Order: sequence, then structure tokens, then C-alpha cells
Amino acid sequence: KAGVTQTPRYLIKTRGQQVTLSCSPISGHRSVSWYQQTPGQGLQFLFEYFSETQRNKGNFPGRFSGRQFSNSRSEMNVSTLELGDSALYLCASSLDSISTDTQYFGPGTRLTVL
Amino acid sequence: QKEVEQNSGPLSVPEGAIASLNCTYSDRGSQSFFWYRQYSGKSPELIMSIYSNGDKEDGRFTAQLNKASQYVSLLIRDSQPSDSATYLCAVNNNQGGKLIFGQGTELSVKP
Repeated sequence: KAGVTQTPRYLIKTRGQQVTLSCSPISGHRSVSWYQQTPGQGLQFLFEYFSETQRNKGNFPGRFSGRQFSNSRSEMNVSTLELGDSALYLCASSLDSISTDTQYFGPGTRLTVL
Repeated sequence: QKEVEQNSGPLSVPEGAIASLNCTYSDRGSQSFFWYRQYSGKSPELIMSIYSNGDKEDGRFTAQLNKASQYVSLLIRDSQPSDSATYLCAVNNNQGGKLIFGQGTELSVKP
């Protein structure tokens, strides 16, 4: 099976712009979780989508949003970019939205905000 | 207190030795525990998952869970230079697809 894919792999934006990142889960996986990874804060949970519904949300401002489509592909959007949004954004997919499910990570999107 | 804590390291061990990585968590309701390995510039990859008290072995890796002490560990036997990476402990406290990660422990295996 193909793994989790994320596009684009690299992005450079300027403050105030918005960005959309895409994630395609492993075939058959219905849950997609998004994480932000920075050197200072480590890996932090953003949100989880399952069956096109947001199931869980982390402690991030409303500028961070997401959605999931009927084919389980997911997008996340960051509006009004700030310098501190520079990070590696990772998505992970799992079969279902249960705590024992293994999450498989994609390669990530490296976002740089100038 | 952080929800999931790990020693940041770096932890340096000689090739062939046992590397011991530790993790503590604060939520007694936590149900599932995962160890991920992350090479520099790469995304995390799963090494082990463990759900019940005791040991779980997979090749050179052994995960140990003690829910009473809120402690989970990973032992790597016969460490190899290729094991040099950051090891991330992740906990799920029964919240669907929400993993809470520790800061990670950097492991360096010296030839």
C-alpha cells in the first residue's frame, strides 16, 4: 500500500498570507490527524478528522482550520500567517478514530514564513 | 507539569550496548502508548505500541509499561549506529486520534 502523502513538501510564504496543505491518507484509513513540529515546542496536536467531521482539536488559534473530504483526503489551512507558524506540518492517518489505532505519518510539509 | 516527559538527552551509548529510553505521563486515564523513531529531517515512524502492563518485545526492541507508576520505557538491545535518532514517546488518553508527544530523546550510538 502507498503511504501517507503530503503536498507540497516545502512552502515559503510571507506574514499575513494564508496557506493550504494537503494530506492523502493510506488507502482504507478514515482518520487523519494533523501535528505541528517545531524545535521549541516539539510535536503538537492540531486536530483530527474522521468521516468528514472534526473529532478532536488541539490548543491552537482559530487561524488554523481543516477539513476532510469524502475520500478521506484532508486539508489544513492557516490564515494570516505569523513568523511563529514556521514549522514542519505532519499529518498521520489511521484506520479509525480509536485510541489504540496506530498512526502512520506522512513526510511532512516544511512551511517557512518570512 | 508536562503531560508527557522524556529526558531530552543526548543519550550516548557504544555500539552493541543496551540503550534505555524513559517516558512518564501525567494522565492516569491514558490507554495507549507508542514509541516513534525520527531521523533528522524525516517524519516519525512507529517502533512499538503497548497497551497493557508488562513487557512487549519485537526484535531488538522491548517496550515496558507500568501504569501504576505512569511510566513507559523502550530498551534497544545490541544498539547499532543506525539506531541514532530521536525517540518520541506518545500517549493517547482515550481521545480518538489525538496523540500527546514528549519532547523526544536524542540517541547517539558510537561505533
